[in-house]
Amino acid sequence: EAQVTQNPRYLITVTGKKLTVTCSQNMNHEYMSWYRQDPGLGLRQIYYSMNVEVTDKGDVPEGYKVSRKEKRNFPLILESPSPNQTSLYFCASSLGWRDRGSPLHFGNGTRLTVT
Amino acid sequence: GQQLNQSPQSMFIQEGEDVSMNCTSSSIFNTWLWYKQDPGEGPVLLIALYKAGELTSNGRLTAQFGITRKDSFLNISASIPSDVGIYFCAGQRPGGGATNKLIFGTGTLLAVQP
Repeated sequence: EAQVTQNPRYLITVTGKKLTVTCSQNMNHEYMSWYRQDPGLGLRQIYYSMNVEVTDKGDVPEGYKVSRKEKRNFPLILESPSPNQTSLYFCASSLGWRDRGSPLHFGNGTRLTVT
Repeated sequence: GQQLNQSPQSMFIQEGEDVSMNCTSSSIFNTWLWYKQDPGEGPVLLIALYKAGELTSNGRLTAQFGITRKDSFLNISASIPSDVGIYFCAGQRPGGGATNKLIFGTGTLLAVQP
């Protein structure tokens, strides 16, 4: 089944403790992206990647890192989480950034709480 | 980042009623997408629109790409309880840079009372 898989689904951590949220897609998609969703603010893009070893900042990149060493994986790294990073996070992928007809496919989300 | 104006913010309706929601922008788009997000899940694509004036249906859902390319509409006919969720529009600008970056609406929360 074609899908975007995020882990974990739920995570509670403390301020300053490094964490990684994994994302994997099995559709051979070139483009991958991370979003955070907060009440009243909708979906905001954190980072995106157009292909392996190509990443760039989205609208709200502060406090986050990503890497794209393989096509299928796009982990989100919080080196020193803070409470304002408490949010619902979504990974998404699409076939290619050149093709306007390639909608994003989303994972099921990771709910992160930083205390 | 830019967001699309999506309305209404929320709707509380009776089962069987029809629903309409829309998104507007000050910029033109070459793609409009409509997603639905169930509680605790990620957004799922409902309908994709690629041409101005295009009208596309998916079961009880119908969406239109506005002629001006600055708006889009989603209609749900004969709503049922499982239609509950948050509906998002998303648009992609022409020549939107070297990315597949979508701009999302703020969402419409739909509640359906049996």
